[in-house]
Amino acid sequence: QQPVQSPQAVILREGEDAVINCSSSKALYSVHWYRQKHGEAPVFLMILLKGGEQKGHDKISASFNEKKQQSSLYLTASQLSYSGTYFCGTEKGTVEYGNKLVFGAGTILRVKS
Amino acid sequence: NAGVTQTPKFRVLKTGQSMTLLCAQDMNHEYMYWYRQDPGMGLRLIHYSVGEGTTAKGEVPDGYNVSRLKKQNFLLGLESAAPSQTSVYFCASSSPGNWGYTFGSGTRLTVV
Repeated sequence: QQPVQSPQAVILREGEDAVINCSSSKALYSVHWYRQKHGEAPVFLMILLKGGEQKGHDKISASFNEKKQQSSLYLTASQLSYSGTYFCGTEKGTVEYGNKLVFGAGTILRVKS
Repeated sequence: NAGVTQTPKFRVLKTGQSMTLLCAQDMNHEYMYWYRQDPGMGLRLIHYSVGEGTTAKGEVPDGYNVSRLKKQNFLLGLESAAPSQTSVYFCASSSPGNWGYTFGSGTRLTVV
């Protein structure tokens, strides 16, 4: 099942903060976050693992609530370069599943000057 | 480093034609994936591979075939193209050890 992202879209002014949420009905092993700019490939931002380990971006933070199967991405002091579509990808298993991800439909973020 | 390279970048097919999309990675990644992206639907997994010579079906495999004869290459074939296969196709690769995906730049396919 596809994870559900909210909000679908958000408009910010430079310097404002935003939170993007991702929830799944399935037990998760990890949650990935990616950003995609128009006409480009998605770019990896962060991975959150069951048990609390995080790997990824220095300036963007995220949380993973294992009990609720939810993750949130926190964008603070937004910059124009943060504009794009953010996707969460959820993973149920490890090696035998090849780390395959199911992606949400995306959240469009636009930062205005 | 080239990362993940997809060819071609654009293609227009007529209904019923066949074609192969090529994905090549130079990062020695074990895992490779093919996704399609349609407006409002995010990325959906077509097929994936956990190693050379192995492939498996994803969420939307019908109408597609794949092969991974060499570790660095992952081919996606359309046997008989249909308008419903008009989409942007992304190849990605990753490594065991809980690291993120590296995506190719995509192939925009239109079937008329």
